[in-house]
Amino acid sequence: EVQLVQSGAEVKKPGESLKISCKGSGYSFTSYWIGWVRQMPGKGLEWMGIIYPGDSDTRYSPSFQGQVTISADKSISTAYLQWSSLKASDTAMYYCARLETYYYGSGSLYYFDYWGQGTLVTVSS
Amino acid sequence: EIVMTQSPATLSVSPGERATLSCRASQSVSSNLAWYQQKPGQAPRLLIYGASTRATGIPARFSGSGSGTEFTLTISSLQSEDFAVYYCQQYNNWMYTFGQGTKLEIK
Repeated sequence: EVQLVQSGAEVKKPGESLKISCKGSGYSFTSYWIGWVRQMPGKGLEWMGIIYPGDSDTRYSPSFQGQVTISADKSISTAYLQWSSLKASDTAMYYCARLETYYYGSGSLYYFDYWGQGTLVTVSS
Repeated sequence: EIVMTQSPATLSVSPGERATLSCRASQSVSSNLAWYQQKPGQAPRLLIYGASTRATGIPARFSGSGSGTEFTLTISSLQSEDFAVYYCQQYNNWMYTFGQGTKLEIK
């Protein structure tokens, strides 16, 4: 059974650093991209970035480039999302999700088929 | 950057009736369009990928259609468990953009 299990809720102060995790199991972790998605309170889903744990190739949404760092440790099947200096506006639920790729004759499809349970990050003084 | 626009923002429908949700892309995304359902306090769940293919375990009352810039999610006969927020998501050139969501509520 494919599972993505995220680390627990965090309460931090502005300016502090943070690293949250997403551990994959039940599949070949190095063969699938893992994405991170932000959901601010009462708002919609925002794609932040994606990493391929096999070689750590990473792509960021322009909205989040330079604001967060995505990494992975394939030896323990875990992806990470980190901040060096949190702001109150980083308060949100963060989800990791596995990217499935479906190849067909003339192209390929990409979609997030399995999701973690979410990590709530609260930043408040 | 491709912008995904969903309409309406809120849709009120009675149980047993049909619901039609729309998603428009600012430029063509071919068939690289997925739909997700999110209930309060839960992670999103994949419903449809490739614009029209149901994900594993998704009931047949959910169907997707469209290509290019116009897409539709139809729920043929609403059940109580279908009232939730629905998001479309596209892939193009290393970007995975979500729409702002449609809240499907009980009328």
